[in-house]
Amino acid sequence: GAVVSQHPSWVICKSGTSVKIECRSLDFQATTMFWYRQFPKQSLMLMATSNEGSKATYEQGVEKDKFLINHASLTLSTLTVTSAHPEDSSFYICSARDRLTSGSPSYNEQFFGPGTRLTVL
Amino acid sequence: AQSVTQLDSHVSVSEGTPVLLRCNYSSSYSPSLFWYVQHPNKGLQLLLKYTSAATLVKGINGFEAEFKKSETSFHLTKPSAHMSDAAEYFCVVTPSGGYQKVTFGTGTKLQVIP
Repeated sequence: GAVVSQHPSWVICKSGTSVKIECRSLDFQATTMFWYRQFPKQSLMLMATSNEGSKATYEQGVEKDKFLINHASLTLSTLTVTSAHPEDSSFYICSARDRLTSGSPSYNEQFFGPGTRLTVL
Repeated sequence: AQSVTQLDSHVSVSEGTPVLLRCNYSSSYSPSLFWYVQHPNKGLQLLLKYTSAATLVKGINGFEAEFKKSETSFHLTKPSAHMSDAAEYFCVVTPSGGYQKVTFGTGTKLQVIP
């Protein structure tokens, strides 16, 4: 149980185009999902918290107009990198919390997707 | 405020010998602590977690960790390293009670020498 998928697993695009990455909780519902970015040989950096039915909360320094997040349902959050440039190339990972564990210590556990490798040429 | 310090960026062990990956944390509230493993170009897999129950936590693949409040530590251990254990390991902390962001350590790369 508690499986999170991401699509696509890798994508190559030209500079100036937009790319959408999907994050799905397959066997549970998630009112909260998280988007991370990971540079080579570095730790994960939280970009934003995605809340179902409301606006995402972005971390300081993350451009909300560049990284558009939509969390339209309890099982899907999308990250759209708009007008991508080579410096946006990175490994993007999403995670989700199981809403049924809300209020218990287990709610702290995040289930991670397999990641999406974005390369912008 | 909370923080996580993984004391070693790189650990190298011989196959069959013990593994020790160190993690110290600071948190204003009773924390939940996690260890995740990441293989190259893969997502994160949960190894084990501490959420205020038993202080000695057993995880998958023979790993375990002990929560020591007095030392603010949550070190990851395994009695005998296997080649398949070679990966990046992340220690993660979040305050108990949910609705809080997690804080990742900088990671420890484990190399297993045949």
